[in-house]
Amino acid sequence: EAQVTQNPRYLITVTGKKLTVTCSQNMNHEYMSWYRQDPGLGLRQIYYSMNVEVTDKGDVPEGYKVSRKEKRNFPLILESPSPNQTSLYFCASSFGQGGNEQFFGPGTRLTVL
Amino acid sequence: GQQLNQSPQSMFIQEGEDVSMNCTSSSIFNTWLWYKQEPGEGPVLLIALYKAGELTSNGRLTAQFGITRKDSFLNISASIPSDVGIYFCAGIMYSGGGADGLTFGKGTHLIIQP
Repeated sequence: EAQVTQNPRYLITVTGKKLTVTCSQNMNHEYMSWYRQDPGLGLRQIYYSMNVEVTDKGDVPEGYKVSRKEKRNFPLILESPSPNQTSLYFCASSFGQGGNEQFFGPGTRLTVL
Repeated sequence: GQQLNQSPQSMFIQEGEDVSMNCTSSSIFNTWLWYKQEPGEGPVLLIALYKAGELTSNGRLTAQFGITRKDSFLNISASIPSDVGIYFCAGIMYSGGGADGLTFGKGTHLIIQP
C-alpha cells in the first residue's frame, strides 16, 4: 500500500531533550516536506526537500533541523525542544519538485513540557 | 510566504444541506487543491485543479479554479454525517525556479447536525 508513515504518533517530552520524528514514504517521491498544524493557524511548512541531500527552509524553520540522506526518509530533528514546539506535525511527499499534490502521513502529536 | 484566505472558518449545517466554501488570494496560483482532514488523521486530497476556469467533480463534491487564478471554491451537495471534518484549500505557485510548494488556507471546520 502506497503510504507515508511517521513515528512516533504521540510523544510527550521535556524542554531541551533532543528528539527525532521519522518520516518514510514508499512511493519513490522526490519531494518531501514537514508541516506543523496549530489551532487557528492552519498548516505551516517547516522544511522541505526536493531530492536526496537537497533541503530548504519553509515558513517556520526556527528550532528544527532535517536531513535527506535517502530518498524514502526525511526525519525531523528538534535539537532542544521548547514548549512553543508543542504541535501536531505532518510529513508529506509528492512526485516532482513540489508542484504536485502532496500525500500526508497520519501526524505526530508532540507535547513539550 | 503567500497568504490564502479561506472562508468560512466553520459551518454548522443540517444533514442534507449543500455546503459552499472558498479560498481567495492576492497572488496567482497555478494549481489549486482541496483536502479533507478527519480527527486524528492527516489531510487527504479530494480534488486537484490545474487550469483557470476548470470545474471538477468527485462524487458530491465540486470544485472550481477561478478565472483570475486567485480563487477557488468547493461545494458539497446533500451533506451526510461522514462529511464532517476540516477542509483545506491549498495553492501551488510556480516561479522561475520551479514550484514553491503548497500554501494552505486555515481550513473550514464543517459540523453537521443530524
